[in-house]
Amino acid sequence: NAGVTQTPKFRVLKTGQSMTLLCAQDMNHEYMYWYRQDPGMGLRLIHYSVGEGTTAKGEVPDGYNVSRLKKQNFLLGLESAAPSQTSVYFCASSYGDFNEQFFGPGTRLTVL
Amino acid sequence: QQQVKQSPQSLIVQKGGISIINCAYENTAFDYFPWYQQFPGKGPALLIAIRPDVSEKKEGRFTISFNKSAKQFSLHIMDSQPGDSATYFCAASSVETSGSRLTFGEGTQLTVNP
Repeated sequence: NAGVTQTPKFRVLKTGQSMTLLCAQDMNHEYMYWYRQDPGMGLRLIHYSVGEGTTAKGEVPDGYNVSRLKKQNFLLGLESAAPSQTSVYFCASSYGDFNEQFFGPGTRLTVL
Repeated sequence: QQQVKQSPQSLIVQKGGISIINCAYENTAFDYFPWYQQFPGKGPALLIAIRPDVSEKKEGRFTISFNKSAKQFSLHIMDSQPGDSATYFCAASSVETSGSRLTFGEGTQLTVNP
């Protein structure tokens, strides 16, 4: 089992460009999450999904959109990238509430 | 606004020593408190977790101590080893806002010297 995989691993964008980060899990988990990690701020939840076709806002959702068209995939989109979105992005998945969250290896995004 | 405050920001311990990381929270509705461990270049991984119905949970060299009245919980790593060098995050969630919505602390970078 690959667990949670993220594509791409690194990306550099110019301000105003758009991109989509892809997360895939092969553990048949219902819940999936997108976090961003910034120095000294821990991990902050951007959006999450409790099942196929559902999405919900987390702590810092502005500037991001998500889609969960298939149970195994969770996409994070940046429509117009800003330098403040420079961060390391982690996807995670879990069976449900209060269950262990399994994290992917991360995507390092730089917005110039 | 950080609802979970973690300290210290960094910690250096000698091999065989005890590492202690503390977290404090404000939201009394929090009822699930996991600790995650992250090695450089990797995603975080669950280390140990506790619910507020117990005051302590031990798994091997790792122990969570929980003080509900003080709204504090801590991670103790006994007999610390160089392989424990990593960043540790405490977190909390509440059934009121979905137990899956974790609020993380700022992280503690632990270095265990050989």
